This record gives sequence, structure tokens and C-alpha cells, in this order.
Amino acid sequence: DSGVTQTPKHLITATGQRVTLRCSPRSGDLSVYWYQQSLDQGLQFLIQYYNGEERAKGNILERFSAQQFPDLHSELNLSSLELGDSALYFCASSVGGGLEFFGPGTRLTVL
Amino acid sequence: DQQVKQNSPSLSVQEGRISILNCDYTNSMFDYFLWYKKYPAEGPTFLISISSIKDKNEDGRFTVFLNKSAKHLSLHIVPSQPGDSAVYFCAASEVQTGANNLFFGTGTRLTVIP
Repeated sequence: DSGVTQTPKHLITATGQRVTLRCSPRSGDLSVYWYQQSLDQGLQFLIQYYNGEERAKGNILERFSAQQFPDLHSELNLSSLELGDSALYFCASSVGGGLEFFGPGTRLTVL
Repeated sequence: DQQVKQNSPSLSVQEGRISILNCDYTNSMFDYFLWYKKYPAEGPTFLISISSIKDKNEDGRFTVFLNKSAKHLSLHIVPSQPGDSAVYFCAASEVQTGANNLFFGTGTRLTVIP
């Protein structure tokens, strides 16, 4: 158990809908990262928050947004969902940077 | 553009033999490298890391080698065990520049045959 929790574990929704994925980092970790893993692909970095502030942005679509709350949990919002958004979404946390501990992931299926 | 590449999608090894997983990178600013192991339906689990100031780091059965001039790193597992069967991801980051998010390869599926 990495200490990073993600909910829900599975999510099935329809195209055009909006969903919110939630992540609670390890106790004491200030950085939260979001990654997307599509079928047979590596993990693609989406976005990083550090202590409530956006720190880095990767290949995150404009339809996606995230935030980190004062209690350090983070939410990833995905809107106007398309079939191609079906993927595993992982959250990771770290004290600062470099070594990240991953949650179990949320499997999103868009029908 | 994939900055971290794992060109072998799969590898099969007999139990007790050595497993060698390879990884190449293109960004010369990367200064911290990690290997993660992933089982189905679980998140990646940190395995071993190496800083760019070193060329080797060992932890039990796992050793990571870094060749900066070739922009290549490898993970050696010896002896390989059936429980090592998983997908292995290589990752890299630019810790010194503060851009410390990880760039991942596409993974190598290791199967250790009993």
C-alpha cells in the first residue's frame, strides 16, 4: 500500500459527460501528480500541483482541469468526454519531486 | 515526442537466470532515473532509482546501470523469480531544474518462467 488513495476505482460513463476523479496523497506529501495511461501506452504526465498551486503541466487537454485543495487532496475533472478518454488515470504524490508514490488508479470507460 | 523509450515490449526469462531490461532517453537534462514495477489492476510501485552522478545502484537482486554518454540505462534482476513477472516502467526527471514530473517509457512486460 503506497498510502495514496484514489476514488472511484472504476467509472463508466457516456460521451459528452463530465466526471471527477479524486486523489488523497500520502500523509505529508505536498505534491500531487496526475497521469493517464491509455491501452498499451506508457504513463503520460498530465499536471502537477504543489501545496495548492499548479506547478507543471504536461499533455493535458483543455477539457480537463485539476485542483488541489487546502487539505492537499486533489481532483481531476474531465468534461465533454470522448471515447478516446477511456484510460487508467493515476494519481501520485511526493514530498517534493523525483520519487513519486502512485495510487491504485481509476479506470474510466467512456461508452 | 517520447523522451523515454523502452523498445522491448516484452521479455521472457527462465527462473534463476538474469533479466535485463533496457531504457533509452533523449533529454540530456534528465538527472534522476527510476524503475517502477506494475502488476495488473495496481498502480506502479517504485523499485529502484539512480542519480546522474552515479553509474550503478544496487538493491538486493536489482541493479540499475546508467550510461550517460549513451543516454541508456538498464535494470538487471538476478536471479529472476516468478514473482518478478510484471510490467516494468523506466522513468526520468529533471530534478535539478525543478521540473520534477516523471517521463515514462511504454513499459516492458517481463515473464519469468518457472
